[in-house]
Amino acid sequence: NAGVMQNPRHLVRRRGQEARLRCSPMKGHSHVYWYRQLPEEGLKFMVYLQKENIIDESGMPKERFSAEFPKEGPSILRIQQVVRGDSAAYFCASSPGGTTNSPLHFGNGTRLTVT
Amino acid sequence: ILNVEQSPQSLHVQEGDSTNFTCSFPSSNFYALHWYRWETAKSPEALFVMTLNGDEKKKGRISATLNTKEGYSYLYIKGSQPEDSATYLCAFRSNDYKLSFGAGTTVTVRA
Repeated sequence: NAGVMQNPRHLVRRRGQEARLRCSPMKGHSHVYWYRQLPEEGLKFMVYLQKENIIDESGMPKERFSAEFPKEGPSILRIQQVVRGDSAAYFCASSPGGTTNSPLHFGNGTRLTVT
Repeated sequence: ILNVEQSPQSLHVQEGDSTNFTCSFPSSNFYALHWYRWETAKSPEALFVMTLNGDEKKKGRISATLNTKEGYSYLYIKGSQPEDSATYLCAFRSNDYKLSFGAGTTVTVRA
């Protein structure tokens, strides 16, 4: 039973480049959450997606950030024109559905470093 | 923005001692309260999902209580062991199903 898979584990980008982070949820899970952990801070909610639907993106910056969860394939968090302040650990979590009380299952995170 | 606060931010416990710490959350629009354990270099793992006022959950030496009317939950560790060293996160789920995390309480158990 594969858990939530995130790749890459580490990503280094220069300022102005694009960062693309991937998340494959657990088998049978149709809901995906993205969280960001800035240095010395806790997990901050970014976006909550269902297959082909963004349910809540209230935690995501309006510019340069986008997320998708297509019918086939992993969920993608895309950061365009990265800046140093985007350096953080990005965690993906999945659950079977939004209305259950199932806990979230987390991936190991992608650590983005912007140089 | 949903305010979920955990205290203390960190604590040190002698092996064998018991400890507890707090999570406070909004008392309105409550749906569920989650507790996760996060060890260094790993991903957060779920401990409990609590939904009812007065709920108590237990897993081995770790237990949690819930008061939804006043908006707090306690996590207890009985007879702390070095393997209990981790950051413990609580997360509040409101009626709109968004899960908001506290900053965590980092527990260090000294042998």
